[in-house]
Amino acid sequence: AQTVTQSQPEMSVQEAETVTLSCTYDTSESDYYLFWYKQPPSRQMILVIRQEAYKQQNATENRFSVNFQKAAKSFSLKISDSQLGDAAMYFCAYRAWGIQGAQKLVFGQGTRLTINP
Amino acid sequence: SAVISQKPSRDICQRGTSLTIQCQVDSQVTMMFWYRQQPGQSLTLIATANQGSEATYESGFVIDKFPISRPNLTFSTLTVSNMSPEDSSIYLCSVGEDSYNEQFFGPGTRLTVL
Repeated sequence: AQTVTQSQPEMSVQEAETVTLSCTYDTSESDYYLFWYKQPPSRQMILVIRQEAYKQQNATENRFSVNFQKAAKSFSLKISDSQLGDAAMYFCAYRAWGIQGAQKLVFGQGTRLTINP
Repeated sequence: SAVISQKPSRDICQRGTSLTIQCQVDSQVTMMFWYRQQPGQSLTLIATANQGSEATYESGFVIDKFPISRPNLTFSTLTVSNMSPEDSSIYLCSVGEDSYNEQFFGPGTRLTVL
């Protein structure tokens, strides 16, 4: 079974600085998706960024980028120019690829990010 | 994309009672998912609900405790039966399609059992 591990329960960063959240996963599949979701106090799960495993290029969305190391099964999230609105729980998630009905997400334990003004 | 609403947004219930949570989607979707998020924890999948078929439950979750209905392609319900304080959690509905690149989540239902 696939597993996702986030080893940092909490992180903090000064506003405008850069922070990196770690995620490792375990799978025997060669094709899959990886995601970072953000959950602010409102509870709403918000997709931050997505990476397809077959793509060598790291995904980027504005201030958010990932460092995807397939061989090492590592998928870290870098947040640049941190803003107060980035404060939230961040979840790394795995999803199988191309298997009919295998849409379910496997989540890591989460990292609580605090932004210090 | 899909917009998802859940009812109720929160509830406080007594031990031994049951609560039914509704999930409504603004478009037709094949697959709907129910997740549980216990206090301070991550999300754990309870079951996958496809229209026209029985829900598929994950290990540790049973139909008698968490019966699910999926009467059409835009609606599903999750019932938490014979509740105990250990059932106090946030319950989230989500939807996904094979053609989607992401899952979309509802706002969650915060359940407190006294």
